[in-house]
Amino acid sequence: NAGVIQTPRHKVTGKGQEATLWCEPISGHSAVFWYRQTIVQGLEFLTYFRNQAPIDDSGMPKERFSAQMPNQSHSTLKIQSTQPQDSAVYLCASSFPLEQYFGPGTRLTVL
Amino acid sequence: GQQVQQSPASLVLQEGENAELQCNFSSTATQLQWFYQSPGGSLVSLLSNPSGTKHTGRLTSTTVTKERRSSLHISSSQTTDSGTYLCAIPSSGSWQLIFGSGTQLTVMP
Repeated sequence: NAGVIQTPRHKVTGKGQEATLWCEPISGHSAVFWYRQTIVQGLEFLTYFRNQAPIDDSGMPKERFSAQMPNQSHSTLKIQSTQPQDSAVYLCASSFPLEQYFGPGTRLTVL
Repeated sequence: GQQVQQSPASLVLQEGENAELQCNFSSTATQLQWFYQSPGGSLVSLLSNPSGTKHTGRLTSTTVTKERRSSLHISSSQTTDSGTYLCAIPSSGSWQLIFGSGTQLTVMP
C-alpha cells in the first residue's frame, strides 16, 4: 500500500498562471479530502468527495478554485489565476470511512 | 462552530522524560484522531480514539467523550519524537476534520 500519492511535490508558478494539483487516494477508500496549510492560518479544509461525488466545498475560494474527482483513483485541485496568497502546502487525504490518511502534500509557491 | 483546543502550545523535555498532551473539543465527537507532523513534513496518523484508552508503542491516548477531552501520553521520549502533535475531530454533520493548533514538542538529547 503506497499511501496517498500527491504530485507534484513542489510547484512554482508566476502570478496569474494556473496550477493543477493531483491526488491518488488509497485504494478502496471512499472519501477524498483537500486541505491547505500555512503558518498563519494553520490547517484549512477546502473540499471533499465521497464515492467520487462532491459533498462539501464550503472551504473553497469560489472564484478561482475548483476540484474534481473523475474516477475513484484520482482527484485534482485546480487554481486559476494564482495569487501570492495561494502559496501554501496543499494536502490530500483519503478515508474509509472516518479515519483520514494524508499524502505528503504539494508545496505551491506563487511568485 | 466547533472548536478544538490543545495544550500546552509547546513543550520541551529531556530525552527519556514522559509527555502529556491535552485536547479539548467543544462538542461531542464520533471520531478523534491524533497526528504527528515533523518540520516540513506531512501529517502522520498516530491514533484514532473516539473513546476509551488505546495504546500503540510508546503512545497512549485516553478520550473521555462526555467530558469532551482527550490526552496523548508519550513515554520515554526520544529526540526523534520532536515535532508538532495535532488533535482533530470531524465537523458536525460532515466528515471534514477540525484541527487544533497543535503542541510543538522538543525533546533535547
